[in-house]
Amino acid sequence: DAGITQSPRHKVTETGTPVTLRCHQTENHRYMYWYRQDPGHGLRLIHYSYGVKDTDKGEVSDGYSVSRSKTEDFLLTLESATSSQTSVYFCAISPARGFNIQYFGAGTRLSVL
Amino acid sequence: GENVEQHPSTLSVQEGDSAVIKCTYSDSASNYFPWYKQELGKRPQLIIDIRSNVGEKKDQRIAVTLNKTAKHFSLHITETQPEDSAVYFCAAPSGGYQKVTFGTGTKLQVIP
Repeated sequence: DAGITQSPRHKVTETGTPVTLRCHQTENHRYMYWYRQDPGHGLRLIHYSYGVKDTDKGEVSDGYSVSRSKTEDFLLTLESATSSQTSVYFCAISPARGFNIQYFGAGTRLSVL
Repeated sequence: GENVEQHPSTLSVQEGDSAVIKCTYSDSASNYFPWYKQELGKRPQLIIDIRSNVGEKKDQRIAVTLNKTAKHFSLHITETQPEDSAVYFCAAPSGGYQKVTFGTGTKLQVIP
């Protein structure tokens, strides 16, 4: 597996609380992504990064923010968690060259009660 | 942006039979089509991909075909085995920065 670590792996939180998920890579890949996976929807892009401090929104970005202050770390923050954000979150990385190959982390299972 | 449709959503086959999963895409400029396999509780992993300059690519029991005119590509698994049971996702490029759009997935069950 590519050197991608997601933390935490599991989290249970309450509605209205802030939550931060971390993705750490040791591959020095330029591109990093956050997806959420829900039954019937596949993998949907939340936010992505194309370099340090360079980020942009994906298709389901409402309620989420991201930051990338170092090449190796990409943080996803739920400002005020809602039950609709209960999901499995995957981080992925992609090298600067090559045809959009993505390597995924092990995922974070988040439950918002 | 790219729109990717994947069918069927579920597929059950007897061990040893073949399985075919089909995806259609909307952007005629798309030039790379990967397939990912996700076993239960695990991360998605790339199993095969195809570039738009070829019509077919094979790797042992799996193959992918591409029809650029019709804008669809398919995953073929022959001689299925129980360990092929998983969810399979197709994907297509969706703009710059190495982004892709994923299909909604096909849950394949291989019955021993």
